[in-house]
Amino acid sequence: KNEVEQSPQNLTAQEGEFITINCSYSVGISALHWLQQHPGGGIVSLFMLSSGKKKHGRLIATINIQEKHSSLHITASHPRDSAVYICAVSSTGNQFYFGTGTSLTVIP
Amino acid sequence: GAGVSQSPSNKVTEKGKDVELRCDPISGHTALYWYRQSLGQGLEFLIYFQGNSAPDKSGLPSDRFSAERTGGSVSTLTIQRTQQEDSAVYLCASSFGSSGSNEQFFGPGTRLTVL
Repeated sequence: KNEVEQSPQNLTAQEGEFITINCSYSVGISALHWLQQHPGGGIVSLFMLSSGKKKHGRLIATINIQEKHSSLHITASHPRDSAVYICAVSSTGNQFYFGTGTSLTVIP
Repeated sequence: GAGVSQSPSNKVTEKGKDVELRCDPISGHTALYWYRQSLGQGLEFLIYFQGNSAPDKSGLPSDRFSAERTGGSVSTLTIQRTQQEDSAVYLCASSFGSSGSNEQFFGPGTRLTVL
């Protein structure tokens, strides 16, 4: 049983395309996190949100608490966006659960 | 330093040996987490320290794993009698307060290979 489910697992896009990665969770949360991991690189926190929507540059994250669902959008995708995107939740019990990640490849 | 640091960056050991992995969190961060990322698998929570409270050890996979945090700062993850299935990247993260309300900052990880 996975507390956090992501889709798709793999995604290939042409440069410039609009990209959406989805995350569903089954536990009560205090926050949801979107993380980015480049090949061979470390993990960077992109967003932490508990309601509504956040935007940073070409990245947008939304969350619907009632539906237990979040989406990460990338507008005008670029090859440098190629990475693994990981959804994670902080549960109300201070547990931390991770999705299995979405591997994104953006082709020039 | 400006970020979370971990050492060593790589560790190769023989099955049955003990290993110690170190994490230096960002100064002032009260929360510290250890995670594991096995090849081809997602991230797995191991243990969580918050201030002076007793750590949440619920993610430790066996009693061969232990961790301590001295003085509320540096943390050491110890794996005793290592097994091949312990091979993974071990990641440390810290935050100012609990992850429920604060962004986590991740270290670069320690890649452990058990031969």
